[in-house]
Parts: sequence; structure tokens; C-alpha cells
Amino acid sequence: GDSVTQMEGPVTLSEEAFLTINCTYTATGYPSLFWYVQYPGEGLQLLLKATKADDKGSNKGFEATYRKETTSFHLEKGSVQVSDSAVYFCALTRGKLIFGQGTELSVKP
Amino acid sequence: DSGVTQTPKHLITATGQRVTLRCSPRSGDLSVYWYQQSLDQGLQFLIQYYNGEERAKGNILERFSAQQFPDLHSELNLSSLELGDSALYFCASSPLEGQGASGIQYFGAGTRLSVL
Repeated sequence: GDSVTQMEGPVTLSEEAFLTINCTYTATGYPSLFWYVQYPGEGLQLLLKATKADDKGSNKGFEATYRKETTSFHLEKGSVQVSDSAVYFCALTRGKLIFGQGTELSVKP
Repeated sequence: DSGVTQTPKHLITATGQRVTLRCSPRSGDLSVYWYQQSLDQGLQFLIQYYNGEERAKGNILERFSAQQFPDLHSELNLSSLELGDSALYFCASSPLEGQGASGIQYFGAGTRLSVL
């Protein structure tokens, strides 16, 4: 069945460091792909999305490109801030949202 | 603030008991989704209601049930509770019937259930 695999966390970075969180998926056809973010004590929020191959989703300095050939949707940010500390979930939709395990990011000043 | 309200925030109960979790969706949203988040299972879709009707079922146990009322709020009932049911339960809402390409759901802050 459809599934999403994310890199293991937690990830700890210093402020202004470059961030990559890997996400790969298994699905038939071409599902829409998403990154959701969960800040401490809150529910999930949609961060960005891409609906077809080669689409790039972007928001708040974060980017992810839908790569059909590698079935990947890696999340990147050029310079992280302490306020980016959160848990990040990669997800796909095919009639229902299927989430990866989540990757915890901690950014130190 | 997502506009989705979940009550209570925390719930502590004993094995064998029954609890009810409540969710009020964003104003105007007709779909309500329930998810369970646990350390071992991650974030799992349980069930979806749209305008009072069940639309999709995920990994929901038979001991669990849900409903959506005419005012669109939803309740998730968990019975014969076991230690393994301890988790964070999220409700999400969207204006759409399907979880299609939009994929945008608005999540509440969750109810943390502890079964002792």
C-alpha cells in the first residue's frame, strides 16, 4: 500500500544552518505531496504542498520539490531559526492523508 | 489558531473505562477527521465524517466509534480502554468532502488520553 518514509530524528542544528529533511514515498500513480508542521503543544499546520511532478512548494523560506524519478519530496531551508523548532511530517494523499513518522527539529541559538 | 476546538485537552482514566472526545470544526467546514498519534504507530487516520455521514474509515478499532451531529461537531467514543490506547487524538476539519489534491486540513490542538 501507499506509504511515506522520513529520515529519523531528532535533528539538532545551530541557528542559520542549512536544513534538509528527507522524505520518500511509495504509491501508485502520482499523489499530491505535503509537508505539515507541528509546533510544541499545537496541532498540525500545512506548511507547503505540490500536486504534480516537478512542482515546487514553498512557504516561510521552506521549499520542497516533487521528484517523480526518485519518489522524493525533501524539505529544505537555507537558514533555520530557533522558531523553526518543531516536528515536521511528510504526507501524501490518495483518498486519505498518509503521514510519515515525523522528524523532530531542534534549532539552538 | 486553526479554528478547530477540541475538548478536553487532557484525559486520565483507567483501563476498561469509556471516554468521549469532542471536536468543533472550523466555521463552515463540513468534513471532520479523527487521527491518533502515538510513539509506536505515528499519526494514523481513524475516520472521516462529512455533513453527518461517515465517508472514510482508517485504522479504527471496533471499540472506537464516532459521529457527527447536525451542528457539525463530532465526538469520538473510546470504550473498553486499554493501556495501548494512550495517545494524542487529533481532530481536523476541511470544507471538502474528499481528501483529494487539496489535502488541506485544519487541525485542533489535540486531546491527550492517558489510560492507567
